[in-house]
Amino acid sequence: DIVMTQSPDSLAVSLGERATINCRSSQTIFFRSYNKDGLSWYQQKAGQPPKLLIYWASTRESGVPDRFSGSGSGTDFTLTISSLQAEDVAVYYCQQYYSSPCTFGQGTKLEIK
Amino acid sequence: EVQLVESGGGLVQPGGSLRLSCEVSGFTLSDHYMDWVRQAPGKGLEWVGRTKNKVNSYITEYAASVKGRFTISRDDSKKSVYLQMNSLKIEDTAVYYCVCWRSGAASWGQGTLVTVSS
Repeated sequence: DIVMTQSPDSLAVSLGERATINCRSSQTIFFRSYNKDGLSWYQQKAGQPPKLLIYWASTRESGVPDRFSGSGSGTDFTLTISSLQAEDVAVYYCQQYYSSPCTFGQGTKLEIK
Repeated sequence: EVQLVESGGGLVQPGGSLRLSCEVSGFTLSDHYMDWVRQAPGKGLEWVGRTKNKVNSYITEYAASVKGRFTISRDDSKKSVYLQMNSLKIEDTAVYYCVCWRSGAASWGQGTLVTVSS
């Protein structure tokens, strides 16, 4: 199974500042057929289902604010929130969908400093 | 608009069975992979299993933690996917989400709570 490891486990950032969350896969998750990495980022607020933010490592889902961006390739990936807003407080998860089981990172809790 | 609505959750005793349903709308079910993902109270997300699309012969795959106890099926004519859960354990207590994959992007339902307790 591919192990997904996020860092840090928790993060406190001031409003308007940049937040960065990292995700590392234990092996490559690159689809040669699509020429893309099979990685998604989700935001989950209390009592709600996960919300898709980013897929194919860097494609922003429709309706997601452009302050959210995804980057990286191979085995190292990053979710960046360029200017933190109060409504961004949540737990963030990465998931690889390159192979089954489609494993998730353990989650990163993002708070306001 | 893609919509997924789970149902069938509830309280069940250890060793019991439960069948979850996921009714979909806004897309052609046979074209898409469908997953079940669960989240235990206060914990992270765990992939449970998958049914592939018609082109891939509806092949099913399961997490090791549920293999042999859970079965995923689908009825494209009823626009529904099912999760049959047998031999339930206390550690199966979770919110169960239905997920549709469309070209690398996943759509999620609101989830249904399954509680396994005596």
